[in-house]
Amino acid sequence: EAGVAQSPRYKIIEKRQSVAFWCNPISGHATLYWYQQILGQGPKLLIQFQNNGVVDDSQLPKDRFSAERLKGVDSTLKIQPAKLEDSAVYLCASSTRQGIQETQYFGPGTRLLVL
Amino acid sequence: AQRVTQPEKLLSVFKGAPVELKCNYSYSGSPELFWYVQYSRQRLQLLLRHISRESIKGFTADLNKGETSFHLKKPFAQEEDSAMYYCALSSVGGGNKLTFGTGTQLKVEL
Repeated sequence: EAGVAQSPRYKIIEKRQSVAFWCNPISGHATLYWYQQILGQGPKLLIQFQNNGVVDDSQLPKDRFSAERLKGVDSTLKIQPAKLEDSAVYLCASSTRQGIQETQYFGPGTRLLVL
Repeated sequence: AQRVTQPEKLLSVFKGAPVELKCNYSYSGSPELFWYVQYSRQRLQLLLRHISRESIKGFTADLNKGETSFHLKKPFAQEEDSAMYYCALSSVGGGNKLTFGTGTQLKVEL
């Protein structure tokens, strides 16, 4: 099966500009996650969707970050305006459940550099 | 609050030597523990989870609730094991979000 797709793979912007990332999960996966991975750190969850509803956005900086999954499939993550500290890899993951076990499958990530 | 600690940023071993990647966690409830791996130029992928109690690519990990540890072990390192390893925790019944450690870079030298 095709994996989680993300675009763009790389993005360079100046601070205070806006940027958007796109994610296409594995077909049939109801749950979608966005993680932020700053250099030298592990991924940190930003937001979790179940179909088109938000399950957890407690760590999303809502003054500048927004995310949507309108039709319960693709998702976009936006940053407006960007700050230098937003430089990171943004990972999208989708998951499926088999019995009590859930497995998250990760996309290749979008590497963002804010200058 | 959930927390995962991986004390080593880099672990270098010789081929054929035993490997142990350390992971400690703090969580007040019933956690589910995972090891994820990222090989060079590849995406992050699940290596193993504690509830499966299985060996993947020769790696095993045992959950020790008394010591709140989930160390990853392999008796004989191979060159292809060189990668970034992340320990992660998920709360059982808690939405399945993952809390990751900072990762350990394993380098297997010939």
